[in-house]
Amino acid sequence: QKEVEQDPGPLSVPEGAIVSLNCTYSNSAFQYFMWYRQYSRKGPELLMYTYSSGNKEDGRFTAQVDKSSKYISLFIRDSQPSDSATYLCAMIATGRRALTFGSGTRLQVQP
Amino acid sequence: GAVVSQHPSWVICKSGTSVKIECRSLDFQATTMFWYRQFPKQSLMLMATSNEGSKATYEQGVEKDKFLINHASLTLSTLTVTSAHPEDSSFYICSAPDRANYGYTFGSGTRLTVV
Repeated sequence: QKEVEQDPGPLSVPEGAIVSLNCTYSNSAFQYFMWYRQYSRKGPELLMYTYSSGNKEDGRFTAQVDKSSKYISLFIRDSQPSDSATYLCAMIATGRRALTFGSGTRLQVQP
Repeated sequence: GAVVSQHPSWVICKSGTSVKIECRSLDFQATTMFWYRQFPKQSLMLMATSNEGSKATYEQGVEKDKFLINHASLTLSTLTVTSAHPEDSSFYICSAPDRANYGYTFGSGTRLTVV
């Protein structure tokens, strides 16, 4: 069983839609949670960073963490074609320094 | 903000040859560098962790004699794929912890194709 599970998609939505991306994890040692966006053949870029259960909002993006359920989400409001990319969840466990990534969800926003 | 410069961005090499990938931290000191490999439509998998002045730590299943890592200075880490085979074709990305970007800055990646 993978430590982090993420639906690979692809997910196709019309422009302006609300997008919901999710990850589940099995290791309760994961304490810090991040969402990265990766365009094709590029390195990941950080979108959101959270470390506690609850919601964190930044512009059109909202990150949600539920540690009791081991479930994290990223919501994108008013999605734009430029949001088309692969979205990776990532986590850091206590005692580790490297990130553990989900498999990534490929998102396509249709104009 | 913190920047990690990774070169080359893409490389094609023949089977049996070696390829070196460089990652440089441009405006901060990277005492640690993480090296990831990403196959198409798959996630980033940690290969090894390099530390300046000491031997790299490899993840289980990664051949240390094939993937040579050298952390020569506080701003430079290199990954050399030795005796490359077509199955080594992948996207390689480095990442360094830094304080500015919530802990991690990624290079832009290297697309390696072995023919």
